Amino acid sequence: DIQMTQSPSTLAASVGDRVTIACRASQSINKWLAWYQQKPGKAPKLLIFKASNLESGVPSRFSGSGSGTEFTLTISSLQPDDFATYYCQQYNSYSFGQGTKLEIK
Amino acid sequence: QVQLQESGPGLVKPSETLSLTCSVSGDSISRSAYFWGWIRQPPGKGLEWIGSVSYSGLTYFKPSLKSRVAISMDTSKNQFSLEVTSVTAADTAVYFCARRDDSSSPFDYWGPGTLVTVSS
Repeated sequence: DIQMTQSPSTLAASVGDRVTIACRASQSINKWLAWYQQKPGKAPKLLIFKASNLESGVPSRFSGSGSGTEFTLTISSLQPDDFATYYCQQYNSYSFGQGTKLEIK
Repeated sequence: QVQLQESGPGLVKPSETLSLTCSVSGDSISRSAYFWGWIRQPPGKGLEWIGSVSYSGLTYFKPSLKSRVAISMDTSKNQFSLEVTSVTAADTAVYFCARRDDSSSPFDYWGPGTLVTVSS
């Protein structure tokens, strides 16, 4: 099983901040990584696929980078709608990271 | 626009079988290259992939769940289903169904999820 580890688990930030969430794979997954946003009581929403490709309709303030075992999700300027929990997922064997809760500071 | 909707009992007794169905509208589940999956989320916790079925009916599962899980397709109803046998309280979760549009893609369409509680 490929293990996915996100950091931090919780992140407090303010509207307008630039934030970065990290995701590490226990072995190389090339670029087979996705990022999702989840709000309470809702299904996850796909933001980024293949490490750095923006899903259609997702605002350009979201970006992803990385390959191999190290990946990051960056939000360039936080908006009120962005406070949510974010998950990475590798889609070799489909395991998810444990999530990063983005809170209002 | 593809839409998915989970359905099934919200309460299952320990040791019994959990059965859920995902109804798909807006596209055919047997369209070439599509994959359909089940993901669950225990209350207050993270996401766990359970298993998937391809457009051709090929299934694959999380290794730790493989002995208790089955996924099947009913193309006449445009549905796919999940069964988890011998459930315990640890199987209490919101269960999501979702679609991948090919073998090298993540889940792009999701159902809203349904809460299944395992309790006597």
